[in-house]
This record gives sequence, C-alpha cells and structure tokens, in this order.
Amino acid sequence: GAVVSQHPSRVICKSGTSVKIECRSLDFQATTMFWYRQFPKKSLMLMATSNEGSKATYEQGVEKDKFLINHASLTLSTLTVTSAHPEDSSFYICSARDSQPILNTEAFFGQGTRLTVV
Amino acid sequence: AQSVTQLDSHVSVSEGTPVLLRCNYSSSYSPSLFWYVQHPNKGLQLLLKYTSAATLVKGINGFEAEFKKSETSFHLTKPSAHMSDAAEYFCVVSSGGYQKVTFGIGTKLQVIP
Repeated sequence: GAVVSQHPSRVICKSGTSVKIECRSLDFQATTMFWYRQFPKKSLMLMATSNEGSKATYEQGVEKDKFLINHASLTLSTLTVTSAHPEDSSFYICSARDSQPILNTEAFFGQGTRLTVV
Repeated sequence: AQSVTQLDSHVSVSEGTPVLLRCNYSSSYSPSLFWYVQHPNKGLQLLLKYTSAATLVKGINGFEAEFKKSETSFHLTKPSAHMSDAAEYFCVVSSGGYQKVTFGIGTKLQVIP
C-alpha cells in the first residue's frame, strides 16, 4: 500500500516552545490530509482537515492558533504545536488519501508522533 | 452521518484460542469499513478493508472480517490467537469520496500464555 511518513516519531520539548510535525505522502499525491490526536485510553479524535493550497478546517474545540496546519504541497502537511504546554502531550497521527477520485479509498496513516511537553 | 460502535473495550483470550472483536456501524451511504491495529507506541497498521466487493474479507496475520449489512456489523475474527496479536484494534467507517473517517473507541486485546 501507499506510504505516509510522519516525522519525528518522538519529541520532548519544554513548555512554551513550539514543535513542528511533518506528514509526507511518499508515493502518491494527497490533496487532503487529516490530523488526529489520541488521548490516553481513548480513540483517535480528528483535529483538522488539511487542504493543499487553502486553509485547514478545524474540528469544534480545536484551537487553530495553537495547532497551526500548513499544507503547502501535494505531498507535505505540517502541524505546529505553538507555545506547548504539558496538557498538549499526546500521540498525534496524520493520514492522507490519494488525490485520484476513487470513492471509498482507504486513508493511509503515518507512524504517529509521541509529543511530551515538560 | 456515520458512527462506529466497538462493543468491547477489552478482550482477553488464551493463546491458541479464537479471537472475536465486535464492531457495529451506521452510515447514510454505502460504507467502506476497515480494521486497524496499533501496537504500543506505534502507528496504525491496516489489517483489512471492505469496499463493496466480497463480504468476507481476509487480511494480514490470519485475521478476517465479514460484512453483514442486515446486522450492520463488521466483526473481526482469527481462528487462533498468537502472543504477538496483543494490541489495540480500531474499527473504522468511511462513507464515500474524501469524507473523514470515523473511528471506534478501540478494543484492547490481551493474549494470555
């Protein structure tokens, strides 16, 4: 299947700093990428939908100024956690879908990023 | 609208015995259904998917699932559990085009030696 590469896999940062997470589709073009957050003992919650060349669409309750999303090309989307706090510590996962208009195509997931804010 | 219900948050089986992880869904459109597995501190790996072809779907590592429209179910099974199967399993529904996927809450599978 198609490959989505997410980097870094783990990051530890100090409170107040910003962290950038990259999501790349390696062998296909992705007009749309999704960012999820996984809380302990809970399922993945969609944070935002990233659209190439336009503003991201955020889910209700997600602060767009805190979680900056940029989708500058068909193969790269980035999530920047700004002014990180310990409560932002979580597992973040991106997914991407092939831009070809095939209905019901699966989404391919990155490996995830474990963010720890100290 | 769509939703996924994983009926068991935790399942425990002995090694070598069958595995059954239950999933029910609702969808306004013809859905695609997926099962993903997540090992500790790892990303998601696709086990299998149903996309309107054969209702009995075979996946990796001996897993399979059957799409039953009349029961709106997509239960995951494996004849014989292995220690390496211990992980968290997510049932996922997706309806058409580029709509966002909806995850179930996950089922944690424990395999007892």
